[in-house]
Amino acid sequence: QSALTQPASVSGSPGQSITISCTGTNSDVGLYNFVSWYQQHPGEAPKLIIYDVNKRPSGLSSRFSGSKSGNTASLTISGLQAEDEADYFCGSYSSTFTWVFGGGTKVTVL
Amino acid sequence: EGQLVESGGGLVKPGGSLRLSCAASGITFSKAWMSWIRQAPGKGLEWVGRIKNKADGGTTDYAAPVKGRFSISRDDSKNTLYLEMNSLKPDDTAVYYCTTLWGTGTTFLYWGQGALVTVAP
Repeated sequence: QSALTQPASVSGSPGQSITISCTGTNSDVGLYNFVSWYQQHPGEAPKLIIYDVNKRPSGLSSRFSGSKSGNTASLTISGLQAEDEADYFCGSYSSTFTWVFGGGTKVTVL
Repeated sequence: EGQLVESGGGLVKPGGSLRLSCAASGITFSKAWMSWIRQAPGKGLEWVGRIKNKADGGTTDYAAPVKGRFSISRDDSKNTLYLEMNSLKPDDTAVYYCTTLWGTGTTFLYWGQGALVTVAP
């Protein structure tokens, strides 16, 4: 069982917006603004898409955005496109110099 | 852009040992904090451990499930990161990714393609 809780799946039609939640505790998501999100296509390595809650790496599409409230972080994908179909994982720095991840959310573009 | 290439994965019996290597290029390896993350088949990501650069003490931290069994080291002269795995268990079966830590040292920026480790009789 993963330390952070994500929904197993989320779906949406092209052009729509979807939001993926990531719930942790007062020792990780709630304590630090060091939440990151990773996109993983089948057979590939994860790719960083959001870091420090709401920052995007250089060159990353602005359709991806992040936020946090209390112990829950969220990733929003706006203007959903076919290539967004992938698994998405959240991760957070945690107390005692460790990191925790969510179990992953499968995004399906209908 | 940084590139990381893992090697050394394979099939090993329970109780056995294995060493993974990660060759880095496109980054100043000696300055990088590095980490190993694993993903069991069909499962989520699990952080394994981290090593700081030598300027920051070269210290290591490990996740509870692997502490005392796994060891991370680095050879800056070869731009290579290592993961020594001992007393392996079936639960250690996973793809192991080598990653670089970035920014405040809390974000995993570059990832290797992964090395599959299978622990089975």
